[in-house]
Amino acid sequence: NAGVTQTPKFQVLKTGQSMTLQCAQDMNHNSMYWYRQDPGMGLRLIYYSASEGTTDKGEVPNGYNVSRLNKREFSLRLESAAPSQTSVYFCAGGRQGRYTGELFFGEGSRLTVL
Amino acid sequence: SQQGEEDPQALSIQEGENATMNCSYKTSINNLQWYRQNSGRGLVHLILIRSNEREKHSGRLRVTLDTSKKSSSLLITASRAADTASYFCATRPAGNKLTFGGGTRVLVKP
Repeated sequence: NAGVTQTPKFQVLKTGQSMTLQCAQDMNHNSMYWYRQDPGMGLRLIYYSASEGTTDKGEVPNGYNVSRLNKREFSLRLESAAPSQTSVYFCAGGRQGRYTGELFFGEGSRLTVL
Repeated sequence: SQQGEEDPQALSIQEGENATMNCSYKTSINNLQWYRQNSGRGLVHLILIRSNEREKHSGRLRVTLDTSKKSSSLLITASRAADTASYFCATRPAGNKLTFGGGTRVLVKP
């Protein structure tokens, strides 16, 4: 099992360009998440999907859109990239429940916006 | 603002010593989790403690939870160079969102 796979691992964009970060999981997780991590900081939730067909905003959704294509895939789209979106993006999957909730993370996608 | 805040922000210890870091949070939770992140890598889940538990062990890790003080601590005993990483607490209030603190950077010197 690959776990949670993110592509691309690295990307450089110019301001105003668009791109989509792909995430796929083979762990049969119901919920999937997109976080961003800025230098020396923790993770901030961008969007999450509790189940196939549903998405909800997190703490910092502005400038992003998401698609839960099916149970396995959850993509993050930047329509018009800005330098403030330079960050490392992490996708995660997990099962939800009161006493569960461990997340499994991908290795990250490092995005630089010039 | 972040739900969880770790303290200290950075910690430097000698191999073999114990490392303790704390996490404070703001709202009631269903569970609290600790994760490790090695440099340039994704986060890895270490341990989950439920809101009705007070202490939990996993190998060299010991986690405590005090819901009255809205705080948790992570103790790593007999640290090794391989424990050098950033450690994050994450809380799950009611609902689906798992919210992370800013992390504690731990350096274990050989």
